[in-house]
Amino acid sequence: AQSVSQHNHHVILSEAASLELGCNYSYGGTVNLFWYVQYPGQHLQLLLKYFSGDPLVKGIKGFEAEFIKSKFSFNLRKPSVQWSDTAEYFCAVTGTSGYNKLIFGAGTRLAVHP
Amino acid sequence: DSGVTQTPKHLITATGQRVTLRCSPRSGDLSVYWYQQSLDQGLQFLIQYYNGEERAKGNILERFSAQQFPDLHSELNLSSLELGDSALYFCASSGLAGGAKNIQYFGAGTRLSVL
Repeated sequence: AQSVSQHNHHVILSEAASLELGCNYSYGGTVNLFWYVQYPGQHLQLLLKYFSGDPLVKGIKGFEAEFIKSKFSFNLRKPSVQWSDTAEYFCAVTGTSGYNKLIFGAGTRLAVHP
Repeated sequence: DSGVTQTPKHLITATGQRVTLRCSPRSGDLSVYWYQQSLDQGLQFLIQYYNGEERAKGNILERFSAQQFPDLHSELNLSSLELGDSALYFCASSGLAGGAKNIQYFGAGTRLSVL
């Protein structure tokens, strides 16, 4: 079955702390991987994406993610979080052929305290 | 701003009623996707249209239907509404029908409350 698992539902950090959000997927075949962020009251925004090539991808706002094929993982990292990073983060996967419905994880709510 | 426009932002209605949600994709995008975000099911894919034709279906109820018009805007019709249909409905658009390197851009969503 196709699925995405995000390990942490709620994460609370202080400003300047490092962040790592886990994401594992189950999908037959080659994948595209995404992290989206949803700030309170706003739409889903693309943070970063992996299509192919270098497994370490950099996104907006200082975020990066590493694709580890052997572990079916695509963890999101940021070395130093800010209060403005408070949001919900979604990991998603699609296949690379056919029609790309996004399969989302349940999301991780991040709260950053000043 | 993603360039994807959804209206209305909020919709409050009663059980048994029918509503229409509207989505205008980014300029030039031919694909429109609909997703439902609920507390118990998370974000789930409903349906995709590409250049006016249905391309893929997900967990969409028979009471729900969608279409994409010649100007590429799309409408999601929800009928015989039940309390459990209360959710945030997102529309996304992309320039491709599918395949590798396809990125979906999301609208702000329509929050539907069924009372």
